Parts: sequence; structure tokens; C-alpha cells
Amino acid sequence: AQTVTQSQPEMSVQEAETVTLSCTYDTSESDYYLFWYKQPPSRQMILVIRQEAYKQQNATENRFSVNFQKAAKSFSLKISDSQLGDAAMYFCAYRSPPGGSNYKLTFGKGTLLTVNP
Amino acid sequence: KAGVTQTPRYLIKTRGQQVTLSCSPISGHRSVSWYQQTPGQGLQFLFEYFSETQRNKGNFPGRFSGRQFSNSRSEMNVSTLELGDSALYLCASSLSAGGSNSPLHFGNGTRLTVT
Repeated sequence: AQTVTQSQPEMSVQEAETVTLSCTYDTSESDYYLFWYKQPPSRQMILVIRQEAYKQQNATENRFSVNFQKAAKSFSLKISDSQLGDAAMYFCAYRSPPGGSNYKLTFGKGTLLTVNP
Repeated sequence: KAGVTQTPRYLIKTRGQQVTLSCSPISGHRSVSWYQQTPGQGLQFLFEYFSETQRNKGNFPGRFSGRQFSNSRSEMNVSTLELGDSALYLCASSLSAGGSNSPLHFGNGTRLTVT
């Protein structure tokens, strides 16, 4: 079974600074998808960024980018120019490719990000 | 386009009772998944439905069941409630059940408290 580990339960960053959230995963599959979701106090999980394992290029979405290291099974999230609205719980998630019986999102435990003004 | 709608937002039940949670996916989405979120266990997959068929099921007891209707709306039922069932239940929908081009869109969840 796949596992996702987020080793940082809490992180803090100053407004306008850059912060990196860590995520490692364990899998025997060669094709899969990785995601970062944020969950603000409103409780709604919001997709931040996604990465297909077959793509070597790191995904970027505005101020959010990932460092995907397939061999190391590492998928970190970098938030640049942090804003107060970025404060939330961030979850790293893994999904097997479609067609298998394990087609679901496996989440890490989350990292609580605080943004200080 | 309206997002994923979950009702009710809050629910308080007593041990032994049963409960039904509802989820209306984004219009056009045919896949609905359910997740349980607790402080101790984190987010755990319950099941996924696509075109009224259960495609995948997580490691939960048979007290947890679900179904999907022809309009893609889904319900989740928990029978014989236990204190440990207290959690935030999240529903997510996607266009199809395959590919990263079908990311999950989550609702605001239903907070279930069992006393």
C-alpha cells in the first residue's frame, strides 16, 4: 500500500517570504499522480497543484511550485511571496493511475502553515 | 458553476443511531468520493462511486455504506453509530474516475458528532 509522509506538523513563515513544505511517499508503482491540497478553517479542501509522475518538469501555479524528485520519492511544495491567505493546513496526496483497485487519494497527515504579518 | 454541496453541515447523533449524509457534485461530474477526516487518523478514503456503481472501497466496517443516484448525487449512511465515528466527512467529485485531468473538487464537509 502507498504511504505519504509529511514530516513537518507545523511551519511558519513571514509574509512575503518563501517557505517549503516537505512530502515523501512510498510506492512500487511507476505511474501515479501527486497533489498538494490546502484546507483553510472553512474546511474545504482546495487543490493547490498537481504533478504527473511521468512528467519530469516540475509543476508551477503562480506562487506555488513543486520540487518533484521521483527517484527519491520526494514531492515538496514551495510557496513564494507568502500571503496571509496562504495560512492553512496543507496536505500532500498520492493517487494511483486509473484502472487499478487502489484508485483513491492517500493523504499525508498535513502541515499547518502559519503566516506572520 | 456551483461547487460540491454537502448537507447538513453539522450533525449531532447518539450512539446506536444511524445517519445519512448527502452530497451533490459539481454539475457534469460523474464520480463522487467520500473521505473521513479525524485528528488521529487524518484523511481516510471511504468509497468512490461512478455512474451509480461503487468502484472502490476503503477499509471501513460494513456499517458504512453509500450509494449514487442517476443524477450523480450521492448519499453516505452510517448505521449503529459509535463514538469513534465522530469526524468531518468530506465528499469530492470529479469529471471522470481517471487521469490527473480529473482532479477532485471537495465540499465543505459534514461535521458529525456522536454522543
